[in-house]
Amino acid sequence: DIVLTQTPLSSPVTLGQPVSISCRSSQSLVNSDGNTYLNWLQQRPGQPPRLLLYKISNRFSGVPDRFSGSGAGTDFTLRISRVEAEDVGVYYCMQAMLPLPTFGQGTTVEIK
Amino acid sequence: EVQLVESGGGLVQPGGSLRLSCAASGFAFSSFYTAWVRQAPGKGLEWVGRISHRADNFATLYAASVRGRFIISRDDSKKSAYLEMNSLQHEDTAVYYCARENWSAFEYWGQGILVTVSS
Repeated sequence: DIVLTQTPLSSPVTLGQPVSISCRSSQSLVNSDGNTYLNWLQQRPGQPPRLLLYKISNRFSGVPDRFSGSGAGTDFTLRISRVEAEDVGVYYCMQAMLPLPTFGQGTTVEIK
Repeated sequence: EVQLVESGGGLVQPGGSLRLSCAASGFAFSSFYTAWVRQAPGKGLEWVGRISHRADNFATLYAASVRGRFIISRDDSKKSAYLEMNSLQHEDTAVYYCARENWSAFEYWGQGILVTVSS
């Protein structure tokens, strides 16, 4: 199975400041169709996960533009340009290549 | 509004069985894959499996940890998907989520349902 490693595992951040989360894959996530199915999800405390970005950098419906994604191949980054209080939670990268989807271990974003 | 609602969870003894349901509304359920994801208490997300739509022959795929014990099915006429769990073990204790899958993105999630395996 493809292993996704996120760093850091915890990120204390000041309100209004940026934060970046890295996701590294054990193998290239470029699919045979040319797409890279690397997604980012947010899980606020006590809530189900929510899709933020799909195929590296495409914001899902209703996601604020302070969330952005970048990367290629095996290295990907989620960036929040200016952290707001509602951004507190755990962020997961997720790959959807065959044979089986896998998640990163999660990165906790908290306010200093 | 897209909604997914899980039901059927609860307490079950080791070795027992349970069937979860996922009721969908607000979208064309039959046109999408449905995925199941679980989260053990205090832990991260674990993909459990998925079922495709009719056009892809209702194909199923499972994580190694549940293969042979769990079965995913769907009834498009009821806009529902199901997760039948057999031979349950302590390590299957988790909140189980169903999600709408579209081009490998889990777009919408249910609120989740707790399954506790304990004697």
